[in-house]
Amino acid sequence: QSALTQPASVSGSPGQSITISCTGTSSYVGDYNFVSWYQQHPGKAPKLMIYDVSNRPSGVSNRFSGSKSGNTASLTISGLQAEDEADYYCSSYTTKVVFGGGTKLTVL
Amino acid sequence: QVQLVESGGGVVQPGRSLRLSCTASGVVFSSYGMHWVRQAPGKGLEWVAIISYDGSSKYYADSVKGRFTISRDNSKNTLYLQINSLRAEDTAVYYCAKDDLYNDIFALDFWGQGTLVTVSS
Repeated sequence: QSALTQPASVSGSPGQSITISCTGTSSYVGDYNFVSWYQQHPGKAPKLMIYDVSNRPSGVSNRFSGSKSGNTASLTISGLQAEDEADYYCSSYTTKVVFGGGTKLTVL
Repeated sequence: QVQLVESGGGVVQPGRSLRLSCTASGVVFSSYGMHWVRQAPGKGLEWVAIISYDGSSKYYADSVKGRFTISRDNSKNTLYLQINSLRAEDTAVYYCAKDDLYNDIFALDFWGQGTLVTVSS
């Protein structure tokens, strides 16, 4: 049972937008802006997509955006593309790190 | 370009020990905290441990505390994970990753490709 709860799966058609939620407690999400999101394709290492709730690392498409409201953080992917199909994990980093259970994104 | 390369994985019998290594290049290794994260087959990511840039602070997931030891040698740009009393549930791909607290970024910004540890008799 992860401290961060994500939906097991989401899906969308090419060109559409989807949002993945990540719900935790105030200790992990609400009180800090240390939520990040990772993308993982099968057999590959995770890749940082969003850090500090809403910041994109250099080289990450601006189709990816992050936000937070209360104890729930969200990752939104706009203009879905086939290459976005992957697993997505949220994470909170205070003294330690916790990951959500992961969400499988299917592009229909 | 930052590169993290893990090694030391393999098939190990239950109860035995193993030491994983992660060698960094393209980065000032001694400036960054380093982490181990594992992923059991078909499962999600599980954070394992963190060591501060200078090795003075270490934290572990409750699930591995007492059996795993994280360490680093900044002169060799290398991170280690000593795993003792291996159990079947330790079977996973083990990734090393660096954080960017140096720049006040609380995230793991570069990851290695992972090394597979299989615990089996």
